[in-house]
Amino acid sequence: GAVVSQHPSWVICKSGTSVKIECRSLDFQATTMFWYRQFPKQSLMLMATSNEGSKATYEQGVEKDKFLINHASLTLSTLTVTSAHPEDSSFYICSASDPLGAKNIQYFGAGTRLSVL
Amino acid sequence: GNSVTQMEGPVTLSEEAFLTINCTYTATGYPSLFWYVQYPGEGLQLLLKATKADDKGSNKGFEATYRKETTSFHLEKGSVQVSDSAVYFCARANTGNQFYFGTGTSLTVIP
Repeated sequence: GAVVSQHPSWVICKSGTSVKIECRSLDFQATTMFWYRQFPKQSLMLMATSNEGSKATYEQGVEKDKFLINHASLTLSTLTVTSAHPEDSSFYICSASDPLGAKNIQYFGAGTRLSVL
Repeated sequence: GNSVTQMEGPVTLSEEAFLTINCTYTATGYPSLFWYVQYPGEGLQLLLKATKADDKGSNKGFEATYRKETTSFHLEKGSVQVSDSAVYFCARANTGNQFYFGTGTSLTVIP
């Protein structure tokens, strides 16, 4: 099946620095990717919809200046957590669907654990 | 609004016990419904899905039926195994393929 790869799998950074997380569709092209955030023992919360070649669409309550999303190619979306603070520590997950594959199926990356010191 | 309500865990069962994890949804229209599973240290994997009323999704012995009248999509398995220990998420998708998840139910199966 289709594979979505995330990098890095774990990152530790100092408060105030920015961190970039990559999401790649390895064997298909994805015009749309999605970014989620998962707090410990909680569900995934949709943060934003990443659209290739255009601006991302953010869910209510998500700061677009805080979480910068760039979807510059059909196989890559990046999420940059700017000026990270400890409260941004979380598990970030991306997903994508194969437009040529089964309808409604989302393929999820393994996630990126961000720890802000 | 659009939401997914899932039975809270954690759930602990003995091997070969019967499993039910309840899930109900609210949504406009008829969303597609899914169960995803997250094994320890791994990403989410699709377990099964149903795209219209009365559809039954099944995989690896798990089943769930899309019940429009009760807006439910309960997950069942007749005989769980230790290897089924994981966190299970109920989810619905809108027409834009945006997914909304339940809170997840942690299942531990003991030998």
